[in-house]
Amino acid sequence: AQSVAQPEDQVNVAEGNPLTVKCTYSVSGNPYLFWYVQYPNRGLQFLLKYITGDNLVKGSYGFEAEFNKSQTSFHLMKPSALVSDSALYFCDVRVMSQNNFNKFYFGSGTKLNVKP
Amino acid sequence: SAVISQKPSRDICQRGTSLTIQCQVDSQVTMMFWYRQQPGQSLTLIATANQGSEATYESGFVIDKFPISRPNLTFSTLTVSNMSPEDSSIYLCSALQARRQFFGPGTRLTVL
Repeated sequence: AQSVAQPEDQVNVAEGNPLTVKCTYSVSGNPYLFWYVQYPNRGLQFLLKYITGDNLVKGSYGFEAEFNKSQTSFHLMKPSALVSDSALYFCDVRVMSQNNFNKFYFGSGTKLNVKP
Repeated sequence: SAVISQKPSRDICQRGTSLTIQCQVDSQVTMMFWYRQQPGQSLTLIATANQGSEATYESGFVIDKFPISRPNLTFSTLTVSNMSPEDSSIYLCSALQARRQFFGPGTRLTVL
């Protein structure tokens, strides 16, 4: 079965420290990988994506993520966390279905708390 | 980038009634989707809204309960029919454009 796992419900970091939000997946075929952020009472916002090419992708607000095919992971990272980064983060994995449209698999979400 | 608006932003409804949620995109998009999200939890895809044909529903969702329309490339509606308290959730419209997915602000539905 296709699945996406965000093993941590919550991640706590101090402002200025590096942060990592983990995502692993189990899908057949070549996945497209995305990260989204959701601030309280607001819609989802796109952060970054991996389609092909360089395994390290850079996105919005200083975030980056590394695609690791052997470990089937796509962890989100930032070298120096800000209090304003506190939000809910979702990993999204997509695989092209037989009917030639994307099947979406969202992770369960990780709440990031950045403390001053 | 596509900007998506939804109406209403929130509603409180009585059991047994129906609510239609509208989704408007400011540009033509290839694909539109409807999701359900419990507060603080992950998104569940309800269906893909196909322009000019019936929506494609995910496992666990049926057309009679969640009829969807997509009359053109910028607009879609989702109806939550014969509502029960279990339907209380946030409903999100989404659109795919140039391999990026954009989300509306959501409609917060409470069923009493």
